[in-house]
Amino acid sequence: DTEVTQTPKHLVMGMTNKKSLKCEQHMGHRAMYWYKQKAKKPPELMFVYSYEKLSINESVPSRFSPECPNSSLLNLHLHALQPEDSALYLCASSQSGTGRQYFGPGTRLTVL
Amino acid sequence: RKEVEQDPGPFNVPEGATVAFNCTYSNSASQSFFWYRQDCRKEPKLLMSVYSSGNEDGRFTAQLNRASQYISLLIRDSKLSDSATYLCVVNRKTSYDKVIFGPGTSLSVIP
Repeated sequence: DTEVTQTPKHLVMGMTNKKSLKCEQHMGHRAMYWYKQKAKKPPELMFVYSYEKLSINESVPSRFSPECPNSSLLNLHLHALQPEDSALYLCASSQSGTGRQYFGPGTRLTVL
Repeated sequence: RKEVEQDPGPFNVPEGATVAFNCTYSNSASQSFFWYRQDCRKEPKLLMSVYSSGNEDGRFTAQLNRASQYISLLIRDSKLSDSATYLCVVNRKTSYDKVIFGPGTSLSVIP
């Protein structure tokens, strides 16, 4: 199984809502990533988890809160987002040391 | 200067054409190199890993020149289905796999 799954595919939320994005992989990868991608731009790294510990937070606002419950799951909790946070949110995983990342299909988020 | 740079594009080519993409990276500690393609509103997907010896996969040829810090991708006999954005990706190992994306080059293959 070389698949990374993400739910939901689409999400529309208001600025006062709380929602969560979910990501799952069963490839035994110990590194998992959250990216944000705006139209016509490359993915922009948000968070890196290595062996279920947060390794990197690329100065992401606290309204985004990541969580790694176990080695297969990665969540991104959203609260009090702004319209400019509307984007495609991509999850990826990799086998440490290879650099080769497997991406999920993404969640397209719209903040009203 | 960005750590990974690519031809700005877009490239508009007729079917059957040969098209070449160029990419440069600035950090000599970079260890592994990739080309990904991304279709509109989809996730990036690995196209090829890139090695110094060069590698070929059907109509696609990738090359790495470590001395020049330069990566290339050649597509021969372009198909309509090759239309996508091509992302040059560079990895170096820090406390984690630090993956850096180039800005991407858009390709449209025209009938």
